[in-house]
Amino acid sequence: GAGVSQSPRYKVAKRGQDVALRCDPISGHVSLFWYQQALGQGPEFLTYFQNEAQLDKSGLPSDRFFAERPEGSVSTLKIQRTQQEDSAVYLCASSLAWALTDTQYFGPGTRLTVL
Amino acid sequence: AQTVTQSQPEMSVQEAETVTLSCTYDTSESDYYLFWYKQPPSRQMILVIRQEAYKQQNATENRFSVNFQKAAKSFSLKISDSQLGDAAMYFCAYGGTSYGKLTFGQGTILTVHP
Repeated sequence: GAGVSQSPRYKVAKRGQDVALRCDPISGHVSLFWYQQALGQGPEFLTYFQNEAQLDKSGLPSDRFFAERPEGSVSTLKIQRTQQEDSAVYLCASSLAWALTDTQYFGPGTRLTVL
Repeated sequence: AQTVTQSQPEMSVQEAETVTLSCTYDTSESDYYLFWYKQPPSRQMILVIRQEAYKQQNATENRFSVNFQKAAKSFSLKISDSQLGDAAMYFCAYGGTSYGKLTFGQGTILTVHP
């Protein structure tokens, strides 16, 4: 089936605007991860869902960042009052179950630019 | 907290030659996994190879193999018979939690010359 998809692929926001980034995981995948990748850097963990439960949000940089996965499939990462330091590529990944042995499949990312 | 360090920001190799990318990590956990991911310019991250820490045998996947030195906390990737399609950013990653949260290194850009 289809891989992980993310939309939009590119988003330009003015500082102070709210944005919503969508992730469609592979159908049936239990685990969903969000990562933030600054230019020229490795991805950094933001948050983790197992089905609809958000089990780890330790990587969210501030309370302006909020993620949800209400029905255990599609997930949305919302950033309120965007700041220039939020400019990055936001990657979503899903895996079949919840074991470390399960391969994470990554989406193409959403490149957010905050002006 | 776990850290992953890739000390080579850029590497280059001639087509058909062999190249080794370095990675070191720091952890106090005894059981964990290590991964190499490839990120082509299109940005979609792809798993190249993984190694379970409790397995002494180094993992291999076709032209890709690792040299895992647990005591030294070193995990290098060897690419044999390099191909133009191997050109990408390569990330070393550590996974130590039960559900798969990954900690990535800074990445190494690999250029393959024809």
